[in-house]
Amino acid sequence: QSALTQPRSVSGSPGQSVTISCTGSRGDVGTYNYVSWYQQHPGKAPRLLIYDVTKRPSGVPDRFSGSKSGNTASLTIFGLQADDEADYYCCSVAGRFTYVFGTGTKVTVL
Amino acid sequence: QVQLVESGGGVVQPGGSLRLSCAASGFTFSTYGMHWVRQAPGKGLEWVAFIRYNEKNNYYTDSVRGRFTISRDNSKNTLYLQMSWMTVEDTAVYYCATDSQDTETIDYWGQGTLVTVTS
Repeated sequence: QSALTQPRSVSGSPGQSVTISCTGSRGDVGTYNYVSWYQQHPGKAPRLLIYDVTKRPSGVPDRFSGSKSGNTASLTIFGLQADDEADYYCCSVAGRFTYVFGTGTKVTVL
Repeated sequence: QVQLVESGGGVVQPGGSLRLSCAASGFTFSTYGMHWVRQAPGKGLEWVAFIRYNEKNNYYTDSVRGRFTISRDNSKNTLYLQMSWMTVEDTAVYYCATDSQDTETIDYWGQGTLVTVTS
């Protein structure tokens, strides 16, 4: 159960778009269309942004978009805003009722 | 609305034990699978354990299997994590979270409880 690989940090100016990659293997991201993304502000609990690779829970702005190709999933944040500055984690099913998280990416709004 | 409140965190010595609780409200607890996820200080999230709504079959990450036990009391709307033979690597904020009924995802999270293993 190795953690999924994410870039340590990405940055962008307000209004720009940033993309965070999440690389796994055939045992997780590559097999299952159950990739989710979470946003975590400092000292707070994670918040679900994306599930089932591309779906957004109600209340999540459509500025957040998910995709997947092969063993790599991606989260794109369009129209970056100051409040988007946070840590972001991907997560994938890795077998029956087991999950693996990504290493986490810090998004900085310049 | 879904509310999850963890408790039971604290300081424990290596080799010691601790039991965490998670009080659930705002949803029909007995029909939801539940997870424990932890986060070491300054580190990323790590999935720890899962229990099905009916308590049949529990699942663990490799590093805690045989030392941690996830359980639940549906009559009390409470989730538990019994931790034994603890090591310094178990130091983390422990979150309880719900398993989506519609798909394979972890959706609602509590605020977490801090566990520190130190001599």
